Amino acid sequence: GNSVTQMEGPVTLSEEAFLTINCTYTATGYPSLFWYVQYPGEGLQLLLKATKADDKGSNKGFEATYRKETTSFHLEKGSVQVSDSAVYFCALRNNTGTASKLTFGTGTRLQVTL
Amino acid sequence: AAGVIQSPRHLIKEKRETATLKCYPIPRHDTVYWYQQGPGQDPQFLISFYEKMQSDKGSIPDRFSAQQFSDYHSELNMSSLELGDSALYFCASSQRGGYNSPLHFGNGTRLTVT
Repeated sequence: GNSVTQMEGPVTLSEEAFLTINCTYTATGYPSLFWYVQYPGEGLQLLLKATKADDKGSNKGFEATYRKETTSFHLEKGSVQVSDSAVYFCALRNNTGTASKLTFGTGTRLQVTL
Repeated sequence: AAGVIQSPRHLIKEKRETATLKCYPIPRHDTVYWYQQGPGQDPQFLISFYEKMQSDKGSIPDRFSAQQFSDYHSELNMSSLELGDSALYFCASSQRGGYNSPLHFGNGTRLTVT
């Protein structure tokens, strides 16, 4: 079956520090990979996605590269801001039809301090 | 841009009562998904519908049922509520296009069972 493993949080960083949140996955076939962000009290927002090997998704300074050889999709940002404090979910969607569901990792809470 | 609309935002019920959650997908999205998120947990897939037919079923209790209507909105019906049903319930929608497309989430309904 499909599964996503994320590094445990919380991750606490100072503003302008470099961020890496590790994500690895197990899936049959060639899934699409996503990062979602959840700010306190809000819903899940798509942050970025990659649909095939070596694709790099990027948005708002965040990047993640689809690494098929290591089954990973690590999230990175060069300089975090206080406003990036949120919970980040890695997720995959497999090619099992038009209504294939998203499978999420357990989420990583990021706290950025001044 | 139009987003996924969920109602109500908050709902308080007593044990053994029933609740109905509504979801209005993004226009032209034909697939709806329901997820349950407990405190500090990742979203768990409940059920999905494609073109008004149930497409996939996850960890949805037998006390819950859902359907998608001709206008593509969906309702999640929950009966004999238990304290453990207290959670954030998300609806997501996607456009026919396969697993490369992201799911777009609403802001959720926070259900509290007392």
